[in-house]
Amino acid sequence: ELKVEQNPLFLSMQEEKNYTIYCNYSTTSDRLYWYRQDPGKSLESLFVLLSNGAVKQEGRLMASLDTKARLSTLHITAAVHDLSATYFCAVDAGKGGGGADGLTFGKGTHLIIQP
Amino acid sequence: KAGVTQTPRYLIKTRGQQVTLSCSPISGHRSVSWYQQTPGQGLQFLFEYFSETQRNKGNFPGRFSGRQFSNSRSEMNVSTLELGDSALYLCASSLGLAMDTQYFGPGTRLTVL
Repeated sequence: ELKVEQNPLFLSMQEEKNYTIYCNYSTTSDRLYWYRQDPGKSLESLFVLLSNGAVKQEGRLMASLDTKARLSTLHITAAVHDLSATYFCAVDAGKGGGGADGLTFGKGTHLIIQP
Repeated sequence: KAGVTQTPRYLIKTRGQQVTLSCSPISGHRSVSWYQQTPGQGLQFLFEYFSETQRNKGNFPGRFSGRQFSNSRSEMNVSTLELGDSALYLCASSLGLAMDTQYFGPGTRLTVL
């Protein structure tokens, strides 16, 4: 059974600081996704990481994937209040063949950025 | 392009009743997946449909079922509702190809009294 662990689960940080959220998973997979969820809202896709060594950046967020270590990181640079949200990583167990299979999500990192 | 839509957005039911939730995927998307989100268990995969066929199923009891129509719209049904079924039910659609991003709808908030 695929397990996905995120840490930390709660993070309160000040604006302009840098921090990293970690996502470990238990079985082989080369498809990892990061989502953002604002309170009372649905999930917004941030990044799709599809191969070992993949790195993607959007604004102050950068995500990377190390499939050998079964680890993905979401790095926040010079945080601003608007980035306050819950961030989820999700791994696709991938049964092979075409099509998307069910995603296994981490428990989420609740991020609060204070002025 | 319109996003994923889900109806109804909010629903209140009592124990023992059944409920049907609806999801309309993004135009052109053929895969629809359903997830349950609760504070205790987090996000859990329910099932996935592609071209009217259930392709994958999560670890939920048989009271949870679904189907997909020829226009890719999907419904999920929960029978004999229990208090623990109170949750946000999220639908996600994708093209259905490997390595495809899933786009989530706003969800249906189900409360079971």
